[in-house]
Amino acid sequence: GAVVSQHPSWVICKSGTSVKIECRSLDFQATTMFWYRQFPKQSLMLMATSNEGSKATYEQGVEKDKFLINHASLTLSTLTVTSAHPEDSSFYICSGKRGRQETQYFGPGTRLLVL
Amino acid sequence: ELKVEQNPLFLSMQEEKNYTIYCNYSTTSDRLYWYRQDPGKSLESLFVLLSNGAVKQEGRLMASLDTKARLSTLHITAAVHDLSATYFCAVDTGMNRDDKIIFGKGTRLHILP
Repeated sequence: GAVVSQHPSWVICKSGTSVKIECRSLDFQATTMFWYRQFPKQSLMLMATSNEGSKATYEQGVEKDKFLINHASLTLSTLTVTSAHPEDSSFYICSGKRGRQETQYFGPGTRLLVL
Repeated sequence: ELKVEQNPLFLSMQEEKNYTIYCNYSTTSDRLYWYRQDPGKSLESLFVLLSNGAVKQEGRLMASLDTKARLSTLHITAAVHDLSATYFCAVDTGMNRDDKIIFGKGTRLHILP
């Protein structure tokens, strides 16, 4: 199957610091990766779509200067939450897909708690 | 803009009963997904439905798709406690190569032993 990993699985940080979350496709090349955020008892909300080697496309209402996304290779995308605040505390989930008309494979998620 | 609506949003049912979760979407799409999420976990893929009339079954779960009605159903037969989870449907927007998917709000299923 297609496996996506995320690191770290959970992180606690102080307000004002930056946090980087990694998303890796372990056994396939992900031409497109997606980043989602999920608040408790809510659905997944797409934050941005990234294609390898190009700038990410952010959804309306998502601050691209706050949530920096880098898709440096076909197996790695990173999300950096800059100057994190308590309201950024959430469950962040990434997914990757091989190409068009392909299923998305989801990572295990990263739980972020900002104090 | 594609909208995906699920109902019910919360369902409490007894074991051995049957029930159906509905997923309506607002614009044409050629791909619909059902996922399961356990508390504190990420998504587990259940079904991918690709064409009108598609029906897929896995154990006590069966999913179907009616693209003309823009409706998918997830039917649970003789529910067991292990099926307690949140179930999401998601619809592919089919836009360019990104093909992002839009999720419904989810149905929290609680099966009473």
